[in-house]
Amino acid sequence: AQTVTQSQPEMSVQEAETVTLSCTYDTSESDYYLFWYKQPPSRQMILVIRQEAYKQQNATENRFSVNFQKAAKSFSLKISDSQLGDAAMYFCAYRDITQGGSEKLVFGKGTKLTVNP
Amino acid sequence: NAGVMQNPRHLVRRRGQEARLRCSPMKGHSHVYWYRQLPEEGLKFMVYLQKENIIDESGMPKERFSAEFPKEGPSILRIQQVVRGDSAAYFCASSRAPGETQYFGPGTRLLVL
Repeated sequence: AQTVTQSQPEMSVQEAETVTLSCTYDTSESDYYLFWYKQPPSRQMILVIRQEAYKQQNATENRFSVNFQKAAKSFSLKISDSQLGDAAMYFCAYRDITQGGSEKLVFGKGTKLTVNP
Repeated sequence: NAGVMQNPRHLVRRRGQEARLRCSPMKGHSHVYWYRQLPEEGLKFMVYLQKENIIDESGMPKERFSAEFPKEGPSILRIQQVVRGDSAAYFCASSRAPGETQYFGPGTRLLVL
């Protein structure tokens, strides 16, 4: 079974600085999706960024980018120019891509990010 | 475009009562997923449904829990004879098709007294 591990329960960053959140996963599949979701105090789950494993290029969405290391099964999230609104729980998630495979998202336990003014 | 709608947002039940959680997917989405988030935990998959069909219920507890997604109306997650351990946030997500991004609703917070 696939597993997702986030080894940092909490992280903090100064406003305008850069922070990297770690995520590792375990799978025997060669093709899959990886995601980062943000959960602010409102508890809404918001998609931050998505990466297809077969794409070598790291995904980027404005101030958010990933460092995808397939061989190491590592998928870290970098937040540049951190803003107070970035404060939230961040969840890394995995999903199979193979046709007929499971559609379920497998989540890590999350990293609580604090942004200090 | 309305997002995924869930109601109620908060639900309080006493032990032994029934809880019914509703989820209306985004317009044009026919695939619905339910997840549960216990305190201080990540989300755990429960069930995946298409209209009138349960596709994957591998995450559903064997007893007291059921889900449906009828031809008309919202998807329903039903918990019978609730216990304190059922207290959690229950999230619904929807997608347009298998393999596409799942978009989440705001969740229902269930508290069992």
